[in-house]
Parts: sequence; C-alpha cells; structure tokens
Amino acid sequence: KNEVEQSPQNLTAQEGEFITINCSYSVGISALHWLQQHPGGGIVSLFMLSSGKKKHGRLIATINIQEKHSSLHITASHPRDSAVYICAVVSYNTDKLIFGTGTRLQVFP
Amino acid sequence: KAGVTQTPRYLIKTRGQQVTLSCSPISGHRSVSWYQQTPGQGLQFLFEYFSETQRNKGNFPGRFSGRQFSNSRSEMNVSTLELGDSALYLCASSSLGASSYNEQFFGPGTRLTVL
Repeated sequence: KNEVEQSPQNLTAQEGEFITINCSYSVGISALHWLQQHPGGGIVSLFMLSSGKKKHGRLIATINIQEKHSSLHITASHPRDSAVYICAVVSYNTDKLIFGTGTRLQVFP
Repeated sequence: KAGVTQTPRYLIKTRGQQVTLSCSPISGHRSVSWYQQTPGQGLQFLFEYFSETQRNKGNFPGRFSGRQFSNSRSEMNVSTLELGDSALYLCASSSLGASSYNEQFFGPGTRLTVL
C-alpha cells in the first residue's frame, strides 16, 4: 500500500463544476504540498500547508492532521484547470517528500 | 527573474553509458532538489543540496549522484545507465533551506531515454 494515496485517479468535469481531489497518507508528516503538472511536464507548486486551510483564487486546500487527510477544491472549474494534481507529504522522520500518484483532471467546455 | 533552467531538455543514451544533467536555480535560491518521474513509479525524491552540501538523499542506488557548485548550480550524474533509468528528471529550487518546507520552483525537466 502506498504511503500517500490520492482519489480519484481520473476525474472528468464540465466547466463550472466544483471539484474535489482527496489525499490520504499513512506516515507522520510535517507538511503537505499540492502540485499541478501540465502536459509536457511542467510542475507548479500550488500550496504548502501544515494545518487548517489555504485559499488562492479558485483553489482551496484543507488538511486534517488527526485524520491524515487533505483535500484540494477547485471552484468554478475551467478547461485550463485540466492537469495532473499531485499531493506530496514531508515525512516527519526523514524530512523527505513522498508523492502520491496524482489525479488526472479534465475539464470540458 | 529567470526561472529554473535545466539542460539538456532531451537526451538519448544507451545502456552502460553515463549521463550528466544540469540545473540552474532561480537567482538567489540556495536549495536545489532533484526528482525522477516515471510512469510506473511516479515522482520520487532523489536528493537535495543546500549551500554545496547534500542535505538529504532518496532511496536510489549509488549510480545516482549529484553535486552543487558555489553559484548554486547543480548537476546530477547517473553512471552505468539501465533501461529503467528512462524518466523525466526534474529539479526544483527554493529560497530557503529545507526545501521540503518551502515553495519549490520546478524546472521544465530533462527527458532521458535509455536504449
């Protein structure tokens, strides 16, 4: 079993829909990152959080340390949001990043 | 500010050869991390350098090595290439130490194909 699990693996949405991507982890962590990877490979860091909630534009990230779970929400989705979203945790013991396998999102007009 | 640059962008090698990849961080950034991305294993952490010192290392064999220069530019080397080393190699820089805890800025990656 992977230490970082994401769901769903694939997600299709219509433009304007509210989207939620989930990340669960089994190790103790110091922080959690959400990353966005577009076709061609470029990766952009969206959020880093260790507690609570962060918001940036239409994106919201939450984390529940007790439940070992984080969610990434996209409000009013747009075709340009189509990408792979990757959750990564910072292991408390090793300080290393452990990555989830990603969620592939496609938003259609 | 210029972003993180990686050279070369694409590389084709044969088994047994060695390869050196280069990463130039954003000006002023002192931390550089390297990652390998494959379809089967996804993204995996290789190593992190801060001020010319290796700060952390992932679970990769000794064939994978790296270094960082005084200008923060970093190189990674893979010796005795295997077919399974075919991957996208990404580097990322951050302005502070312990890049795991800070926003990282990723380069476009080097796509390595081993034949």
